[in-house]
Amino acid sequence: SQQGEEDPQALSIQEGENATMNCSYKTSINNLQWYRQNSGRGLVHLILIRSNEREKHSGRLRVTLDTSKKSSSLLITASRAADTASYFCATDAGIYNQGGKLIFGQGTELSVKP
Amino acid sequence: GAVVSQHPSWVICKSGTSVKIECRSLDFQATTMFWYRQFPKQSLMLMATSNEGSKATYEQGVEKDKFLINHASLTLSTLTVTSAHPEDSSFYICSARDPQTYEQYFGPGTRLTVT
Repeated sequence: SQQGEEDPQALSIQEGENATMNCSYKTSINNLQWYRQNSGRGLVHLILIRSNEREKHSGRLRVTLDTSKKSSSLLITASRAADTASYFCATDAGIYNQGGKLIFGQGTELSVKP
Repeated sequence: GAVVSQHPSWVICKSGTSVKIECRSLDFQATTMFWYRQFPKQSLMLMATSNEGSKATYEQGVEKDKFLINHASLTLSTLTVTSAHPEDSSFYICSARDPQTYEQYFGPGTRLTVT
């Protein structure tokens, strides 16, 4: 079953602008992961943030996690046309050393116009 | 980085036939692999957890007799869609979990079209 909800469902911005996507989930988690998927292709892992972390950076990506609100956000700064893709959050709620199954949010379709 | 491969990348089959999809973990031994299905414009839905050396665990609503999963080794899991129907046409994606980092790495997906 789907746990995550993402908003917005679709986002269209100009190159150079920042893009923010939000994800909410329902149960306690071990970690939350963000993925990118280009049309018809496989998933690319972007960032994993653990439940005891509040913020994480990777290049132009910044992820925050608020476990009290059960929400996360992905910020892409200085966006490029190549960032055009669908972005999914996924939560891992399994018991430590077990589980590992990911429940995906509905995704945000990002379009960056040159 | 870690690589997970899938084969075939796409397959077209006739209704009533069976199709086998392979998922291989190339960089690490994966005791656990996962199978997802994705319909157009939708998110990934977890189908089952594939456990090396034991039976797969299926998510609610997924027919285990229709979607046969075999995790015969630490680097290979297979999904067989038996007696395929057009409604089984979808994008099937596997993932393997790195036991050291707990990160999951996804295969490139297999597009199944049942005619």
